[in-house]
Amino acid sequence: GAGVSQSPSNKVTEKGKDVELRCDPISGHTALYWYRQRLGQGLEFLIYFQGNSAPDKSGLPSDRFSAERTGESVSTLTIQRTQQEDSAVYLCASSPGGARNEKLFFGSGTQLSVL
Amino acid sequence: DAKTTQPPSMDCAEGRAANLPCNHSTISGNEYVYWYRQIHSQGPQYIIHGLKNNETNEMASLIITEDRKSSTLILPHATLRDTAVYYCIVRVGYNFNKFYFGSGTKLNVKP
Repeated sequence: GAGVSQSPSNKVTEKGKDVELRCDPISGHTALYWYRQRLGQGLEFLIYFQGNSAPDKSGLPSDRFSAERTGESVSTLTIQRTQQEDSAVYLCASSPGGARNEKLFFGSGTQLSVL
Repeated sequence: DAKTTQPPSMDCAEGRAANLPCNHSTISGNEYVYWYRQIHSQGPQYIIHGLKNNETNEMASLIITEDRKSSTLILPHATLRDTAVYYCIVRVGYNFNKFYFGSGTKLNVKP
């Protein structure tokens, strides 16, 4: 089937507004990851979901960031009271089971611009 | 957590082999090395990964030194479409759930 799908592809918002970014992983993949990529930089880990286990939230930069996942399907990354430094590409990835020798499949990302 | 060090940029002539080095001197014995590449405005694309032994697939070869402190990605016959940022990544975290992406190497393939 389809690969990892993210929406919207582009989001422009005003400082102080809340935004929601959506990720549809590959069907059957139990592991889901969110990353942030600022312009010209590498990817920063944000959060990891694996099945019904408690998510690893250690990469979330502040309490304005949160993420949810419904079962083993869609995930939503929410940024409250957006700031200009939140401008970045937000990438989602999934893998079959989270094993250490599995590869991650990435979506094309959501470009977030905070004015 | 193991980190990686890569040169910021490299040039390669079209049709020649591209050899991209990576240092991961703090890698532990059970951490895999992965290579991904990212073409402008796209999500990262998987290339290859390995633990101890050298690996080869249809895209590239991965050579890992015996002490595992460094590795080299080899694109045997680079094309213009291989121009991208290449990331060498060590999978870390208590549950190996984190891919640490450094700044990568920008490979410029020239005609």
